Amino acid sequence: ILNVEQSPQSLHVQEGDSTNFTCSFPSSNFYALHWYRWETAKSPEALFVMTLNGDEKKKGRISATLNTKEGYSYLYIKGSQPEDSATYLCAFNIQEYGNKLVFGAGTILRVKS
Amino acid sequence: DAGVIQSPRHEVTEMGQEVTLRCKPISGHDYLFWYRQTMMRGLELLIYFNNNVPIDDSGMPEDRFSAKMPNASFSTLKIQPSEPRDSAVYFCASTFTGWDGYTFGSGTRLTVV
Repeated sequence: ILNVEQSPQSLHVQEGDSTNFTCSFPSSNFYALHWYRWETAKSPEALFVMTLNGDEKKKGRISATLNTKEGYSYLYIKGSQPEDSATYLCAFNIQEYGNKLVFGAGTILRVKS
Repeated sequence: DAGVIQSPRHEVTEMGQEVTLRCKPISGHDYLFWYRQTMMRGLELLIYFNNNVPIDDSGMPEDRFSAKMPNASFSTLKIQPSEPRDSAVYFCASTFTGWDGYTFGSGTRLTVV
């Protein structure tokens, strides 16, 4: 069974703090790594899809990096705002799985104003 | 585009009844996925289709679950007979290729009593 591990499980920060989460995945036969943002009572929303070792993607105050050799990705949020409060999911797929994504359990972020 | 459309949003049914969940993917998306979200197991893939053909149904928990995609714009997930342990939020998602992020529907919250 292939596992995606995310840490920490949850995080409480103050508005303005910068924060980061980790996603660990099996590095063999890597295909793609996805990050999703999931607000309460809504559906997951795609943030990034990364495929190349060393990839770095950015959307506003949120950025992500990818290391496929060691099997991890970091998601960074600069200057957290209350509206950033959500569960952040990572998911990966490997070549043998085709387009099937395996999701991690997520990191719950709460930003206090 | 209205996004991925799921119906109903909520379903409450009695044990033993048949339940049918519906999904309309984004037009032009070749892949359609059915996921189930529970507290214990997070987001788990049940089945996915490519060009209306089921590719991997290894996540379907039992024979009580079946899914169809009769055309590119419609898919159903059926549970017959339903059991209380089937209570969960069922998400449908679609994507154009494996390189793109998935677009999720709003989910169907199923409660079997």
